[in-house]
Amino acid sequence: GQNIDQPTEMTATEGAIVQINCTYQTSGFNGLFWYQQHAGEAPTFLSYNVLDGLEEKGRFSSFLSRSKGYSYLLLKELQMKDSASYLCAVMDSNYQLIWGAGTKLIIKP
Amino acid sequence: GAVVSQHPSWVICKSGTSVKIECRSLDFQATTMFWYRQFPKQSLMLMATSNEGSKATYEQGVEKDKFLINHASLTLSTLTVTSAHPEDSSFYICSARDSGGFETQYFGPGTRLLVL
Repeated sequence: GQNIDQPTEMTATEGAIVQINCTYQTSGFNGLFWYQQHAGEAPTFLSYNVLDGLEEKGRFSSFLSRSKGYSYLLLKELQMKDSASYLCAVMDSNYQLIWGAGTKLIIKP
Repeated sequence: GAVVSQHPSWVICKSGTSVKIECRSLDFQATTMFWYRQFPKQSLMLMATSNEGSKATYEQGVEKDKFLINHASLTLSTLTVTSAHPEDSSFYICSARDSGGFETQYFGPGTRLLVL
């Protein structure tokens, strides 16, 4: 079956760095997405990786290793507004998104 | 970035009535749109995939006669919850796939449905 694993919850301190991991097993691979979802709101697109390596976008970076079925989202200089759920999703061979359950990130002052 | 709108953002209705939710891609054409449902503190759950000009594909366990989907144009998909019941109360979110942008799905702001 298809499976996306990510930690349920993480806690970090304002100004610090946090890495949210995602491992996947899917039928085919057409890219991995990270979305941010604040409580009570719809998800917003953060990043897309289809090739191995690190993609940097401001304070957020996303890494992919296809051979390991592994990705991480790195958040630097954490701000209180980064408190949200972070969703990992993989697009399979049918171009369908397989969603992880999300990681709730709690930022403490 | 690509913008998806959803209307209405809030709906309160009586049990037994039908509710229509619209999803529009504002600055791109979307041959494929998706409808999700999310209960409080739970994951997104894909309900159906909506393809322009053809019948929607429903996920297992989702009643196609209860959740009517119409994707009549490249920028508009509608979800109609027919004969709504309190258990249908949820957060309904649509997304549209930008075929010209790495197949990224962009989400609408969601519609909160409360059935009394």
